[in-house]
Amino acid sequence: DTGVSQNPRHKITKRGQNVTFRCDPISEHNRLYWYRQTLGQGPEFLTYFQNEAQLEKSRLLSDRFSAERPKGSFSTLEIQRTEQGDSAMYLCASSGTANTEAFFGQGTRLTVV
Amino acid sequence: AQTVTQSQPEMSVQEAETVTLSCTYDTSENNYYLFWYKQPPSRQMILVIRQEAYKQQNATENRFSVNFQKAAKSFSLKISDSQLGDTAMYFCAFMKPKGGSEKLVFGKGTKLTVNP
Repeated sequence: DTGVSQNPRHKITKRGQNVTFRCDPISEHNRLYWYRQTLGQGPEFLTYFQNEAQLEKSRLLSDRFSAERPKGSFSTLEIQRTEQGDSAMYLCASSGTANTEAFFGQGTRLTVV
Repeated sequence: AQTVTQSQPEMSVQEAETVTLSCTYDTSENNYYLFWYKQPPSRQMILVIRQEAYKQQNATENRFSVNFQKAAKSFSLKISDSQLGDTAMYFCAFMKPKGGSEKLVFGKGTKLTVNP
């Protein structure tokens, strides 16, 4: 296992289109997080899964955003009707119950034009 | 809600010198974790060092050490013998453990440049 993997690395989309990102966490990790990072800012928490259950969502996660983690393995983050303000780096992280360290993926950079 | 403040947007240091990055935080919790993460250009974020609030001893990891002042809510990172590979964004982060998501609350980051 080489770590947290995110695909695609880059995505350019037109305003109003839907996009979906994928995150494959470290295999033995049951906790999975999505963060959003805009230019000049630190990552901001979006949502958290423990196994397949989505247990916490930030107020940043508008109705246009949805995340899933079927079977407690990989996760997807979908943004519907993208807006220019959605342009950001979307980071995925995972951690195990016995370890508080979160391991991050390289992120998906979204540009909405 | 917890907040993390990094007051130095950018810093630079000469190779082999020592640099200290500042971080303050605000919380009403007594038990928590603090972290420094490094984000090199176009690369993933990696953990540099972490500190448990209940431990009085400052954490160290090779050339990296922290000065944790719980009463002052201060958590600075000292990098000794700076290397070119230390050039990166550095983020200070707070986490409240147990009973919740253990999500990280990040500061805005400090861009560190190590000059040859």
